[in-house]
Amino acid sequence: AAGVIQSPRHLIKEKRETATLKCYPIPRHDTVYWYQQGPGQDPQFLISFYEKMQSDKGSIPDRFSAQQFSDYHSELNMSSLELGDSALYFCASSLTLAKNIQYFGAGTRLSVL
Amino acid sequence: DAKTTQPTSMDCAEGRAANLPCNHSTISGNEYVYWYRQIHSQGPQYIIHGLKNNETNEMASLIITEDRKSSTLILPHATLRDTAVYYCIVRVGDSSGSARQLTFGSGTQLTVLP
Repeated sequence: AAGVIQSPRHLIKEKRETATLKCYPIPRHDTVYWYQQGPGQDPQFLISFYEKMQSDKGSIPDRFSAQQFSDYHSELNMSSLELGDSALYFCASSLTLAKNIQYFGAGTRLSVL
Repeated sequence: DAKTTQPTSMDCAEGRAANLPCNHSTISGNEYVYWYRQIHSQGPQYIIHGLKNNETNEMASLIITEDRKSSTLILPHATLRDTAVYYCIVRVGDSSGSARQLTFGSGTQLTVLP
């Protein structure tokens, strides 16, 4: 079965650079979520989209933005990167009628040097 | 979402049943119990959920006490690949208008020993 695809799997950036993470949800899933997991921490919710509209917002810095496109894929744009942005970034998708059952991608490991 | 309490860590021998407890004494009548796990550095994985009846699927069984104040996730024959952090999450059902995100609290690090 198709799973959530994230790219790239690894990304190395310098401070103050920008990064774009991509997420391709499971086909027919209408909701996409982004989570951030710092070293030794639990995943923290950043933002979600339902039918291409922003749905909920968590602890996402103002330097970050995200959107969901017409084909339902989503991108997380991160600017003015800081050392503290180094983390695993997970994308998940679900059906809105089953939003408590989320399917996660393998994640993007971002390292900011 | 109701607050949950789980032990920080547990060990289990390979091939034996792993029983992971979760306390959720403030659970409301319309809240479900969901279990996810996260194998090191992989994305979290949904395991099972239930409201008040015991549930079983190909991965695990979920036993919910009659008063619903606690539950136990059972992995019947633990393998080394079951070593992971297990999260118990209590949330209102999908049909509610609640926010969509999952809140991962401190889960249980299960280590399956050879």
